[in-house]
Amino acid sequence: KQEVTQIPAALSVPEGENLVLNCSFTDSAIYNLQWFRQDPGKGLTSLLLIQSSQREQTSGRLNASLDKSSGRSTLYIAASQPGDSATYLCAAPSEGQGFSFIFGKGTRLLVKP
Amino acid sequence: SAVISQKPSRDICQRGTSLTIQCQVDSQVTMMFWYRQQPGQSLTLIATANQGSEATYESGFVIDKFPISRPNLTFSTLTVSNMSPEDSSIYLCSAEDGNTGELFFGEGSRLTVL
Repeated sequence: KQEVTQIPAALSVPEGENLVLNCSFTDSAIYNLQWFRQDPGKGLTSLLLIQSSQREQTSGRLNASLDKSSGRSTLYIAASQPGDSATYLCAAPSEGQGFSFIFGKGTRLLVKP
Repeated sequence: SAVISQKPSRDICQRGTSLTIQCQVDSQVTMMFWYRQQPGQSLTLIATANQGSEATYESGFVIDKFPISRPNLTFSTLTVSNMSPEDSSIYLCSAEDGNTGELFFGEGSRLTVL
């Protein structure tokens, strides 16, 4: 069964810094991987979806890469801003009794002004 | 992208009561899921809501405690039955875009059980 691990668990950086969040998964037979953002007390906002045939996806200052063979994905945030402060979650599909999505525990990011 | 509406957004409930959470999607979707997020934790899948048939529950979750309905391709409900303080969590409805595989979430329902 799929297991998703995210490191670091928490990260504090000064504004303007570039940073990388890591996600690893145990079952590489995935058809996509998705990164989300969650603000405190809120639902999840989809950031980037990478299909299994793709190696990376970009949206603004965000870039996500996927390496199925090594079971890893990274989320790169360029020129971080205080508004980027949130918890970032990655999710990978898992085939159990049916297809579902397994989440990592998230990386809690704080960008200090 | 699908827009998902959940209600109630929050509620305070008494021990032993039941509460039903509704989830409405603005387009037809094949796959709908219910997740639980306990305080300070990540998301745990409760079940996949199947249209026209019984939901598929994950290990540790049972139908008697979390009955789920899925009468059509845009709507689902999750009931949290016989609540205890341990059920205090955020419950999140999600749906998968059948074309892209992208997962979307509602804003969640924050339940506090006293």
